[in-house]
Amino acid sequence: QQQVKQSPQSLIVQKGGIPIINCAYENTAFDYFPWYQQFPGKGPALLIAIRPDVSEKKEGRFTISFNKSAKQFSLHIMDSQPGDSATYFCAASRANTGFQKLVFGTGTRLLVSP
Amino acid sequence: NAGVTQTPKFQVLKTGQSMTLQCAQDMNHEYMSWYRQDPGMGLRLIHYSVGAGITDQGEVPNGYNVSRSTTEDFPLRLLSAAPSQTSVYFCASSSISGTSGSEQYFGPGTRLTVT
Repeated sequence: QQQVKQSPQSLIVQKGGIPIINCAYENTAFDYFPWYQQFPGKGPALLIAIRPDVSEKKEGRFTISFNKSAKQFSLHIMDSQPGDSATYFCAASRANTGFQKLVFGTGTRLLVSP
Repeated sequence: NAGVTQTPKFQVLKTGQSMTLQCAQDMNHEYMSWYRQDPGMGLRLIHYSVGAGITDQGEVPNGYNVSRSTTEDFPLRLLSAAPSQTSVYFCASSSISGTSGSEQYFGPGTRLTVT
């Protein structure tokens, strides 16, 4: 049973496009939603994260949109660049675990063509 | 500051063999964890520790043991390797003192193949 469902599995956009990756969760106890970026041969690294008390968070070209009632959140990458080509994972956890015990989505492989 | 280090980078085992994957961090983080990454399944939590002497099971603990004798080290032991344990293993560490979130720092991974 996948607690965090992620789509699409893969995505190809042209440079300058705005890829959108979507995630949905079932457990309403989740209250911390990070996104991790992983390059081939490397470990994941935190990209951006959001708590459910806000509907949007921006950091540079990366934006998380959060819809608490729909139990969905998404990652938007503005003005995407070939260097953004990587696998992106959404995740969820709870404050009462110290925001640990991450539950990950299945990942989205993004390719940004030049 | 090396961050999170893992050894070995690659390992091939025969079914039934045992081995230990090493993980160390130099950030004085309380929390350490092990994940496995399989195609189409994301990362799944195997075991975790909130401090020296304290460990607990994650989502997929069967076939693995852990111990935490120091803050820095968190080895993962495969007791009797099976082909189903072929995967990429990541160790991560983080501070548990954050009040609005916590960044987990991942190591470079160990690619394990069990034949």
